[in-house]
Amino acid sequence: EPEVTQTPSHQVTQMGQEVILRCVPISNHLYFYWYRQILGQKVEFLVSFYNNEISEKSEIFDDQFSVERPDGSNFTLKIRSTKLEDSAMYFCASSQTGTNTGELFFGEGSRLTVL
Amino acid sequence: AQTVTQSQPEMSVQEAETVTLSCTYDTSESDYYLFWYKQPPSRQMILVIRQEAYKQQNATENRFSVNFQKAAKSFSLKISDSQLGDAAMYFCAYRRGRGGSNYKLTFGKGTLLTVNP
Repeated sequence: EPEVTQTPSHQVTQMGQEVILRCVPISNHLYFYWYRQILGQKVEFLVSFYNNEISEKSEIFDDQFSVERPDGSNFTLKIRSTKLEDSAMYFCASSQTGTNTGELFFGEGSRLTVL
Repeated sequence: AQTVTQSQPEMSVQEAETVTLSCTYDTSESDYYLFWYKQPPSRQMILVIRQEAYKQQNATENRFSVNFQKAAKSFSLKISDSQLGDAAMYFCAYRRGRGGSNYKLTFGKGTLLTVNP
């Protein structure tokens, strides 16, 4: 069964360093998303992406964050200068459509630890 | 803004018994969708069940069913004949209906379900 894959599963970085989290969405999906979950808190929406541009972003998704689909398969989340509060589990998701009933398929997550 | 509240951080159930996980939400919208996602340990979140707000009939998927009370803004998940494989974190989620913000899911904090043999 096709699934969303994410790398790395865990990354430890120093504060101020750049981090790139990678995702391979399901191949025929057109909508891509990043969510994050700080330990003990809710899963929060970060950004959605369609047709090579951001379709919606949350207030969390500030100028330190960027997303890119550099080729036909990968979808990346870049954090330019990490802060301690960026430590979280980051989930990538994809859906075939952007309609209300379009099911989101999630990856297993990438745990980011900022020291 | 929409909010989703899961008041039970943890629940446990005996194998083969029934358990109900609670979820309440707050919205001013009349058109929306509600979801329950399951996240087994170290695995991805998967969709368990979905409910359209305009449908009065409660959604059912095999052993999983919901009790959707629109006026009370309540959306509980009932798991019947619990199995060991049901052990997971369960997230309740909300998504707006037509028009704007169609992509964004708003999640609750989750309920960790333990199934005892």
